[in-house]
Amino acid sequence: GQQLNQSPQSMFIQEGEDVSMNCTSSSIFNTWLWYKQDPGEGPVLLIALYKAGELTSNGRLTAQFGITRKDSFLNISASIPSDVGIYFCAGQLWRDDKIIFGKGTRLHILP
Amino acid sequence: DGGITQSPKYLFRKEGQNVTLSCEQNLNHDAMYWYRQDPGQGLRLIYYSQIVNDFQKGDIAEGYSVSREKKESFPLTVTSAQKNPTAFYLCASAALNHGYTFGSGTRLTVV
Repeated sequence: GQQLNQSPQSMFIQEGEDVSMNCTSSSIFNTWLWYKQDPGEGPVLLIALYKAGELTSNGRLTAQFGITRKDSFLNISASIPSDVGIYFCAGQLWRDDKIIFGKGTRLHILP
Repeated sequence: DGGITQSPKYLFRKEGQNVTLSCEQNLNHDAMYWYRQDPGQGLRLIYYSQIVNDFQKGDIAEGYSVSREKKESFPLTVTSAQKNPTAFYLCASAALNHGYTFGSGTRLTVV
C-alpha cells in the first residue's frame, strides 16, 4: 500500500533555530497535510496544501507541496519551547480517500 | 462549539475484559476513524466509517470491533482477543477534502 517516508525521525535543536522536515512518497497525492501532536493530545491540523507547487505559511510555519506531487516539506522558523511535539505529514489522493500518515518527526528543544 | 469528544481520557482494563471507547462529534462529518498510537510510533488505522451503518477494517482491525448506528457516534470496543491493547487511541472525523479533526485521545492500560 501507499507509504509516506518522513524524516528525520527526531530532532534536537536549540531554541531560536530554524527547523526543516520533509515527507516523500512513491505515490502521488492531491492533498498534503501537516499536523502537530502535543503530548497526550490528538494531532491538530497546521497547514493543508491542495496544489502542486503551492507554498503556504501559517505564522512561523511554512509548508510546500512538491511539484512532482510526491513530496512536501515543513519549515519552522525561530523555534520556541511550545513547538515541542510530534509533527506528522499526511497525504490524500482523492477527496473521499483515507489519509495516509507519515510516522512523525519528534521535535525536542534544548534549553 | 463544534468538536469531537473522546471519553474517557484514561481507561484501565483487566486482562480478558472487553472495553468500549466513546467517540462523539457534532461537526456533521460523514466519515469517522479510529487510530492506535504506540510510544514512538505513528498512527495505525483500526477501523473507519464513511457513512452510517457501514464501516471498513483498517490495517490492524483484529481484536477490535466498531458500530456506526448514528452519524455522531463511532464507538470502538477493544475485545479480549486483542493481545496487546495498551496504547493511545485516537478518533477522528472528516468532511470531504478538509483533512481530519482529531479527538484528544483515550489512553488504555491493561492491568
